[in-house]
Amino acid sequence: DGGITQSPKYLFRKEGQNVTLSCEQNLNHDAMYWYRQDPGQGLRLIYYSQIVNDFQKGDIAEGYSVSREKKESFPLTVTSAQKNPTAFYLCASSIGLREVNTGELFFGEGSRLTVL
Amino acid sequence: KQEVTQIPAALSVPEGENLVLNCSFTDSAIYNLQWFRQDPGKGLTSLLLIQSSQREQTSGRLNASLDKSSGRSTLYIAASQPGDSATYLCAGGFSGGYNKLIFGAGTRLAVHP
Repeated sequence: DGGITQSPKYLFRKEGQNVTLSCEQNLNHDAMYWYRQDPGQGLRLIYYSQIVNDFQKGDIAEGYSVSREKKESFPLTVTSAQKNPTAFYLCASSIGLREVNTGELFFGEGSRLTVL
Repeated sequence: KQEVTQIPAALSVPEGENLVLNCSFTDSAIYNLQWFRQDPGKGLTSLLLIQSSQREQTSGRLNASLDKSSGRSTLYIAASQPGDSATYLCAGGFSGGYNKLIFGAGTRLAVHP
């Protein structure tokens, strides 16, 4: 079945540690995204990527980093510079990035990060 | 500033009732609007996608409309069931050269037997 797989589902981090969240898709989508969700708020865009080896900052990129070495993979690293990292992280993909060909946005099941 | 608002934040209805969820946006240069469902602790599931050239989309008991001039979209759920209980989010795609989606905070729906 085609879809987006995020791992781990739950992650605990000590202050000062970097952690990496995995996102893999087999939908053959060009565009991939990382969102952060906090209670009672809408999703906020962290990073997005249109194509391999290219990615752009979203609205809240500070303290985060990404890579796009393969079309199907878009890992997110939460660095120690992120001051308030406890949140629910969602990875998504769409056919394209431009307005004319985005199609639907598909999401993974999310990763919940808790800082101890 | 582009904003998407969903009111009310929470809604509780008896089973069988027809209901409408509201989504409003501030920028009429919207090129699509998508409705999602989110169950507790889960990712988002796409329900309906409406392009700016369309006025509505239907899927089963769900019907979503888009009115760019008034800055509103509605999600109509017919004959609600307890299994419809979830949070419903809308997201507007706005012109900006890329798929810039702005999400509402969601409406938490509870359908009780």
